[in-house]
Amino acid sequence: DAGVIQSPRHEVTEMGQEVTLRCKPISGHNSLFWYRQTMMRGLELLIYFNNNVPIDDSGMPEDRFSAKMPNASFSTLKIQPSEPRDSAVYFCASSLDRYSYEQYFGPGTRLTVT
Amino acid sequence: DAKTTQPPSMDCAEGRAANLPCNHSTISGNEYVYWYRQIHSQGPQYIIHGLKNNETNEMASLIITEDRKSSTLILPHATLRDTAVYYCIVRLNYGQNFVFGPGTRLSVLP
Repeated sequence: DAGVIQSPRHEVTEMGQEVTLRCKPISGHNSLFWYRQTMMRGLELLIYFNNNVPIDDSGMPEDRFSAKMPNASFSTLKIQPSEPRDSAVYFCASSLDRYSYEQYFGPGTRLTVT
Repeated sequence: DAKTTQPPSMDCAEGRAANLPCNHSTISGNEYVYWYRQIHSQGPQYIIHGLKNNETNEMASLIITEDRKSSTLILPHATLRDTAVYYCIVRLNYGQNFVFGPGTRLSVLP
């Protein structure tokens, strides 16, 4: 199994630009999670989906952030417009169901907004 | 807010047992203790979890005190590849998300 796949691995963009992060969960997993990690705030849950439906987006910092899951094998996290404070590592994780004891994390996307 | 308290950092000699403590004095009767770790530049990885009995798997052992107010993760023979940040998380099995605190940065020294 390839595990959770994220792309790109690194993204450098200028303030104001749109950024799209992509995630392919493990086949057969019904839940998908987006996390953000910074030195200041640690690892935070942004949003999660169950069976492609967003369940809890209370962690999404503001309206500039949006996430979609059009099908069971693909999800995107979009930031528009991006700001320097969005610089972080963004992780996608998947699990069999939303409360499974084991979440499988992808390698992350390191985003730098200048 | 994280419901656990962990030391910010620990060292361990290679080949020795690494004992990572975690305090969770406000844990409720149906909350589980989970451990994840994050190796540098990688996503977190599940290690083990338990309710009140001690648990062991191929990676580690989890010892939970009888009053369940604290626990210890034991890596029996630490290797350099075990250098990572270790997160202790308390969570209901159903109804809650994982909340990651700052964790313990374990350095395994040669």
